[in-house]
Amino acid sequence: SQKIEQNSEALNIQEGKTATLTCNYTNYSPAYLQWYRQDPGRGPVFLLLIRENEKEKRKERLKVTFDTTLKQSLFHITASQPADSATYLCALVMDTGRRALTFGSGTRLQVQP
Amino acid sequence: TAGITQAPTSQILAAGRSMTLRCTQDMRHNAMYWYRQDLGLGLRLIHYSNTAGTTGKGEVPDGYSVSRANTDDFPLTLASAVPSQTSVYFCASSSGDTDTQYFGPGTRLTVL
Repeated sequence: SQKIEQNSEALNIQEGKTATLTCNYTNYSPAYLQWYRQDPGRGPVFLLLIRENEKEKRKERLKVTFDTTLKQSLFHITASQPADSATYLCALVMDTGRRALTFGSGTRLQVQP
Repeated sequence: TAGITQAPTSQILAAGRSMTLRCTQDMRHNAMYWYRQDLGLGLRLIHYSNTAGTTGKGEVPDGYSVSRANTDDFPLTLASAVPSQTSVYFCASSSGDTDTQYFGPGTRLTVL
């Protein structure tokens, strides 16, 4: 069966360090993969999309990589700040008929001051 | 613009009662979705609609129904609520070729 997994349920890092979150998927070759941020009590918010022909995508302090051979995406936050503390979700379309996203269960990032 | 609004914000419902969760978007997106989010299980798709007048079943559709009479509204109905439907429900919409989704603030439902 098709699965999307985020390896770490929680990640604690010190302010100023780089946070690296992992997303793995199986049995599928998506055209693109997305990352979302979710704060407690709120809906997810779109951050970045990376296409299968892109190795890397950047937005301010965020960087996403996409390795279609390893079936893995890495999400990096450089110079992390306490305000970056949130749950980060990866998502991709696993059923092109539905055009709906399948989400990983998320990694809860805590940045300590 | 408001984006996506959901109502109510939260609700406590007796088992066996029916309820409709409301979702409205003002972005003229063709596609809309309903997810439930439970601890440890992440977001799971309940129902979706690729365009007004059409709906489809997601991963966990049992006990829920939806309608899409127009572009803006996508209500989710629980015909006879059960405690296992206690969850946080998110409505989302998307347009374009990348299915980037815009989420509402959620409805926290407790079924007793």
